[in-house]
Amino acid sequence: GENVEQHPSTLSVQEGDSAVIKCTYSDSASNYFPWYKQELGKRPQLIIDIRSNVGEKKDQRIAVTLNKTAKHFSLHITETQPEDSAVYFCAASNTGNQFYFGTGTSLTVIP
Amino acid sequence: GAVVSQHPSWVICKSGTSVKIECRSLDFQATTMFWYRQFPKQSLMLMATSNEGSKATYEQGVEKDKFLINHASLTLSTLTVTSAHPEDSSFYICSAKVQGPGYIQYFGAGTRLSVL
Repeated sequence: GENVEQHPSTLSVQEGDSAVIKCTYSDSASNYFPWYKQELGKRPQLIIDIRSNVGEKKDQRIAVTLNKTAKHFSLHITETQPEDSAVYFCAASNTGNQFYFGTGTSLTVIP
Repeated sequence: GAVVSQHPSWVICKSGTSVKIECRSLDFQATTMFWYRQFPKQSLMLMATSNEGSKATYEQGVEKDKFLINHASLTLSTLTVTSAHPEDSSFYICSAKVQGPGYIQYFGAGTRLSVL
C-alpha cells in the first residue's frame, strides 16, 4: 500500500518567516495530494490540494509543489502568523478512493 | 460548506462492551465515508473505506470483526467497536467525500473512546 513520510515533525519559525514542510509518497498511482491543518482538539481542515497533472498551486500565503518523478510534494507558508500554529498533515490518494496521511508536522510561529 | 456530524464526541465504556459511533453528512450525500484512528500527537491512520450499500474495505491489520462498519444510507455510516478493550481506547474520526468526481473529504469532529 501507500506509504507517506513527512518532515520535519516539529518546526518553529519567527513570525513573518516562511515555513516549508515536505512529504514523500511511494505509490506512483497516487494522483491527489491534499494538505490539512489540525488545531488542538479540532477536526482536520483542508487548506490546499494539488492533483498530479499540476506542478504547483498557490492560494494567498500558501503554496504546494509536486514533483511526480521524485514522488515528493511540499507545503510552503509565507509571512507566517501566530494563527498558523497547528499540526499540518499531508496525504496521498488514488482518485479519492483511500487517503494515506503523513505523520504530521507541529508548526509553532513565534510572535 | 459541507458539514459532517459525528456522535458521540466522547464515550467511556467498560471492557467487553460494544460501542457504536455515528457519522452523518448533514447537507450533502456521501457515497464514500472513511474511518480513521488517531493516537495522541500522531497521524490519522486509515482504518476502512465505507461505500454506501456495500461492504466496507478494511486496511491491512484492521480486524473487520472487531470494527464493524455499516453504511446504510447516503448520509450515515456507523462504526461499532465490538467487545472493546483498553487497547481500543483512541480517537476515532470519520470523514465523508462529496458525491461526484471530486476528491475532497470533510471530517467529523471525532469521538474519543475510553475503555476501562
